[in-house]
Amino acid sequence: GIQVEQSPPDLILQEGANSTLRCNFSDSVNNLQWFHQNPWGQLINLFYIPSGTKQNGRLSATTVATERYSLLYISSSQTTDSGVYFCAVGEGQGGKLIFGQGTELSVKP
Amino acid sequence: SAVISQKPSRDICQRGTSLTIQCQVDSQVTMMFWYRQQPGQSLTLIATANQGSEATYESGFVIDKFPISRPNLTFSTLTVSNMSPEDSSIYLCSVAGRRYGYTFGSGTRLTVV
Repeated sequence: GIQVEQSPPDLILQEGANSTLRCNFSDSVNNLQWFHQNPWGQLINLFYIPSGTKQNGRLSATTVATERYSLLYISSSQTTDSGVYFCAVGEGQGGKLIFGQGTELSVKP
Repeated sequence: SAVISQKPSRDICQRGTSLTIQCQVDSQVTMMFWYRQQPGQSLTLIATANQGSEATYESGFVIDKFPISRPNLTFSTLTVSNMSPEDSSIYLCSVAGRRYGYTFGSGTRLTVV
């Protein structure tokens, strides 16, 4: 099956700093999503981005499907950005998602 | 994207008992997915629930331990049976959307004592 690797596993930032999270996947995918899991366990969908670039406020994401990686950019980080960021991929329409191990982000005031 | 109502949000249960988790979706969906997230770990798919047929379980998960109900296109339940402390996890349901990808319920945080 598809392997999903995320880096770095942990990241500590000062408030206001920028960061880049990476997701590598081992095969072609039809679906790629970035999620943020808050301290209460809720999983928030940040981007649905099987290819191309999207931006939403301070967050943006780029997926280069031909090279099998995706990047999540966080600019001007805030303490509320803390939590775990997951990349998940899917092989087909409506099929299961396979999750990476996540990047745990801690933003210090 | 679909809105999912999941309950209970958390529970503390005695070992040997069972807990049923419910997910209600605000639109009709063909497939619903149930995931488990053990402490400090990523999400792992338990099973895929189709309306009108038996759920499809992933390797390592069995129907006797995690029976699933899917009575209609907007509702599903997952039961965690004969619980042990190793079942302490967050359980999440999910549905796939065409434009925005997968949406997840708010999760059920289960502690088995």
